Amino acid sequence: DAKTTQPNSMESNEEEPVHLPCNHSTISGTDYIHWYRQLPSQGPEYVIHGLTSNVNNRMASLAIAEDRKSSTLILHRATLRDAAVYYCILRLNNAGNMLTFGGGTRLMVKP
Amino acid sequence: DAGITQSPRHKVTETGTPVTLRCHQTENHRYMYWYRQDPGHGLRLIHYSYGVKDTDKGEVSDGYSVSRSKTEDFLLTLESATSSQTSVYFCATAPGGADSYEQYFGPGTRLTVT
Repeated sequence: DAKTTQPNSMESNEEEPVHLPCNHSTISGTDYIHWYRQLPSQGPEYVIHGLTSNVNNRMASLAIAEDRKSSTLILHRATLRDAAVYYCILRLNNAGNMLTFGGGTRLMVKP
Repeated sequence: DAGITQSPRHKVTETGTPVTLRCHQTENHRYMYWYRQDPGHGLRLIHYSYGVKDTDKGEVSDGYSVSRSKTEDFLLTLESATSSQTSVYFCATAPGGADSYEQYFGPGTRLTVT
């Protein structure tokens, strides 16, 4: 299975943009790039996903490298409520919607 | 938010006793999943279901069994609990289908095996 590599932790200041990197050098052509986040004491929640093109939604933006070997989750203005563990996950385009979680990046937001 | 509940939310049990955790959904989603999360780690898939009575093993299925007799309920059973099964257990659901891409997670069950 293709793996992802993320920094263990990152810090950001409130109201500043945050760029969370993810390396996935063994990604296959059918793997979707998903991001989930897990707030303290909660289950994970979906943030965004993409295949080849950059994606935007109300929560974040996803920038995917042209060779697809890396991606970046962008939070445009971090808030204290964005402090969470962010998981970058590769998902096969299969009916099972299987997700394999790695260690994720713990984002700390300073006021 | 998807209507996913887990029961119990907390449980303490003794080694060797059977334990059943319940996941209930009101979204009529086809797929259901059980994960465990240990301190400092991401989630690991235990079992999943792709329909009523249709289940399959995940990455860490040893010591666990599941059943799904109704669309809305997915049960995880520890036949004889061990201390290594102390963990937080999350249930998730997904609609299924070609356009389905999101899993919805429940609030978790914290299980302690003493």
